[in-house]
Amino acid sequence: QKEVEQDPGPLSVPEGAIVSLNCTYSNSAFQYFMWYRQYSRKGPELLMYTYSSGNKEDGRFTAQVDKSSKYISLFIRDSQPSDSATYLCAMSADSGGYQKVTFGIGTKLQVIP
Amino acid sequence: DAGVTQSPTHLIKTRGQQVTLRCSPKSGHDTVSWYQQALGQGPQFIFQYYEEEERQRGNFPDRFSGHQFPNYSSELNVNALLLGDSALYLCASSLWDRGTGELFFGEGSRLTVL
Repeated sequence: QKEVEQDPGPLSVPEGAIVSLNCTYSNSAFQYFMWYRQYSRKGPELLMYTYSSGNKEDGRFTAQVDKSSKYISLFIRDSQPSDSATYLCAMSADSGGYQKVTFGIGTKLQVIP
Repeated sequence: DAGVTQSPTHLIKTRGQQVTLRCSPKSGHDTVSWYQQALGQGPQFIFQYYEEEERQRGNFPDRFSGHQFPNYSSELNVNALLLGDSALYLCASSLWDRGTGELFFGEGSRLTVL
C-alpha cells in the first residue's frame, strides 16, 4: 500500500464548475499537508499549505484536512481553463529540518471552456 | 527575486554513462532536495542537502549521489545510467529552520537514457 493515494483521473469539468480533488494517506505522523499544481512539462508550484487538521481558504481555493480520517481535499470554485493542470497532494512529518515530502501520483484536471 | 534554476533543461545519455545535474536554490534558501518524477507519476524523494551534508535519503541506490556547495547550490550525479533512470529530475529549495515541507521547485532537467 502506498503512503499517499490519489486518483490520477483524468477529471474533466465545464468552466465555472466546483472541482473536488482528494487524497488519502496511511502515515499518521504526517502533520504538514500541501497541494502543488504542475503544468505540463513544468516544475510543481505550491498552491496551498496546511498544518494539522482544519480548513484554509485562498481565493478560489480551499484546502481541508481531516486527520481522523486521514483524508485531505482541495476545492476549486469557479474553475477556469487556466486551472487545467495536474494537482499533486503532498505531505510531510514534523521532524524539524529533515523534510522528506511524500507526493501523490497527481490528478490531471481539464477545465472545458 | 530569482527562483530555483536548474541546468541543463534536457539531455540525452546512453546506458552506462554518467550524468551531472545542477541546481541553484531560491534566494535566501539554504536547503536543497532532489526528486525524480517518472512520466505519469508523482515526484519521488531522492535526498536532501543542508550545510553541505546529505541529511536524508529516499530509496535510491548509491548510483545516485550529490553535493552541496558553500553558496547552497547543488549537484545530482547519477552513475551507470539505466533505461529506468529516464525521468524529470526536480530540484526543490526550502528553509531548514522552517521545517514545514514547503518546497519551491525548479523547472526540472529532463533526462532520457537510450
